[in-house]
Amino acid sequence: EPEVTQTPSHQVTQMGQEVILRCVPISNHLYFYWYRQILGQKVEFLVSFYNNEISEKSEIFDDQFSVERPDGSNFTLKIRSTKLEDSAMYFCASSDGRDNNEQFFGPGTRLTVL
Amino acid sequence: LAKTTQPISMDSYEGQEVNITCSHNNIATNDYITWYQQFPSQGPRFIIQGYKTKVTNEVASLFIPADRKSSTLSLPRVSLSDTAVYYCLVGDRGGFQKLVFGTGTRLLVSP
Repeated sequence: EPEVTQTPSHQVTQMGQEVILRCVPISNHLYFYWYRQILGQKVEFLVSFYNNEISEKSEIFDDQFSVERPDGSNFTLKIRSTKLEDSAMYFCASSDGRDNNEQFFGPGTRLTVL
Repeated sequence: LAKTTQPISMDSYEGQEVNITCSHNNIATNDYITWYQQFPSQGPRFIIQGYKTKVTNEVASLFIPADRKSSTLSLPRVSLSDTAVYYCLVGDRGGFQKLVFGTGTRLLVSP
């Protein structure tokens, strides 16, 4: 069964450093998303992406965040200057736009900012 | 987006049927009710979706009364592996809508 993959599974970085989280969505999907989950809290929407542009972003997704689909398979989330409060699990998801809007989530990248 | 309310946690034993109820008093006409499951350290996974009455798949059943102000996810004969957080989401399913998660219901299944 096709699945969303994410790398790395765990990223440790120093405050102020840039990180890039990578995702490979399911191959025939057209809609891509990033969510995050701070430890013990709920899953929060960050951004949705379609046709090579951002469709919607949340208040969390400020100027330090950016997304890109650099080629036909990868979808990346870049955090330019990490802060301690960026420590969270980051999930990539994709969907094919079917009526039920089922989104397929990856296993997540645990980001730890020291 | 309609606000949802679910119990914070539930306990059950293997082999029992578990019913998790979600309240969504402000559901809109175009809204669907969707349930996701999340295991520890994994991404959420779609379980079931419905608009009204009853929907059943290989994993669960979803019961929605006529007024649609609540819904009940029913898991038949749970096993230890059903221990997870279950989220009820309400929203328009068209296109590529963002998913808005609440705090979910943490289900613990014991032997």
